[in-house]
This record gives sequence, structure tokens and C-alpha cells, in this order.
Amino acid sequence: GAVVSQHPSRVICKSGTSVKIECRSLDFQATTMFWYRQFPKQSLMLMATSNEGSKATYEQGVEKDKFLINHASLTLSTLTVTSAHPEDSSFYICSAFPGQGALNYGYTFGSGTRLTVV
Amino acid sequence: KQEVTQIPAALSVPEGENLVLNCSFTDSAIYNLQWFRQDPGKGLTSLLLIQSSQREQTSGRLNASLDKSSGRSTLYIAASQPGDSATYLCAANTGNQFYFGTGTSLTVIP
Repeated sequence: GAVVSQHPSRVICKSGTSVKIECRSLDFQATTMFWYRQFPKQSLMLMATSNEGSKATYEQGVEKDKFLINHASLTLSTLTVTSAHPEDSSFYICSAFPGQGALNYGYTFGSGTRLTVV
Repeated sequence: KQEVTQIPAALSVPEGENLVLNCSFTDSAIYNLQWFRQDPGKGLTSLLLIQSSQREQTSGRLNASLDKSSGRSTLYIAASQPGDSATYLCAANTGNQFYFGTGTSLTVIP
């Protein structure tokens, strides 16, 4: 079945530094990938939709200059948290969408990245 | 905009009980609805996917139903076990985007 690999699973960084999170579709090509964020005890919130070869579409309230998304290939999307602050500490999950045909199939999610900014 | 809510927010049951988790959505124009499980600090695990044309799906002790017209889905867990303790999320797919519910935190007491 479709597998999405997300790396790293945990990262601790200092305030002001940048952190890159990778999301890879291992056995399918993902034309669209989604990035979600989850605060403690809250549901997942969509941050942005990234389409291969084009700019990401950010949800309202998400700073595009802070959360840089690159979807350079059909199997890799990256989320870079720039100039991280403690309030950016959260759980980030990516999801991959193989394409129109997958409307009949479920989405596949990465295992998530726990970011802690100290 | 699609809104998905789940009731109850938290549920605690003794081991062996059957239980029902509820999910409601405001826009019935969905392609499918998916139930996930999330363990603390972990990613999502897909449990069941129901297409818009289907009324239910079963996997082991899990049964999910879908009533598009009323905007509801339920996840039935039979003979609950402590290992079922987790947060359960439903998500409605309205095209190429998911809308997640608020989640139900389930605790099964041995």
C-alpha cells in the first residue's frame, strides 16, 4: 500500500534557528501533499497544500514566510520552520494525495514530527 | 466551509464494552469519510474508509457507518480492549482536502 515517510520524528532546536521536515511518498507519486499542525489536545489543522512544481497554498493565518514549503518532486515535500520560536513547538504531520484517482482511496499520512523549540 | 465535529470529546469505558463514537459534518457533498486512530505523540493510522456511495465498512471489531443525507458517521468498537485506548479522528474528504473532526479520546479501563 501507499507509504509516506516523514523525517525526523523528533527534533529539538534553539530559538532563532531553522528546522526542515521531510515528507516522502515511498511507493507512489504524490501530486499533492498536505501539511498539518496539531497543538496538544487539539485536532489537526491544515497549514498548507503543496502541489508539485508550484507554490504552496497556505491556509488563513499561516505565515508563508515562516513555514516554507517546497514540493520539488513527486515524491518529496519539505516544510522548513524558519527562525523558530517556542510557540512553534508542535506536532507536524504530512499527508500525501496520489492524484485524482485517489479520491476513491484514503489518504496516507506520515508518522509526524514533534518539534520542540527551546 | 465544511465543519466536522465529534461527540463525545472523551470517553472512558471498562474493558469488554461495546461503544459508539459519533462524527457529524455540515456539508454532505463528500467523496468519502475516513476514521483514524492516533496514539499519543504518534501519527495517524487509518482505520476505515467509507466511500460516499457506501453505508458501512467493517474491519475486525470495528464497524463504521455513513449517512450522507444526515451528515453523520459512527464508529462502532466491539468488545473494547485496553489497547484500543487512543484518540479517534474522523475526516471528511470533500475533494482533495480533508476536514478533520475534533477527536474523541477513548480510555478503556482494564
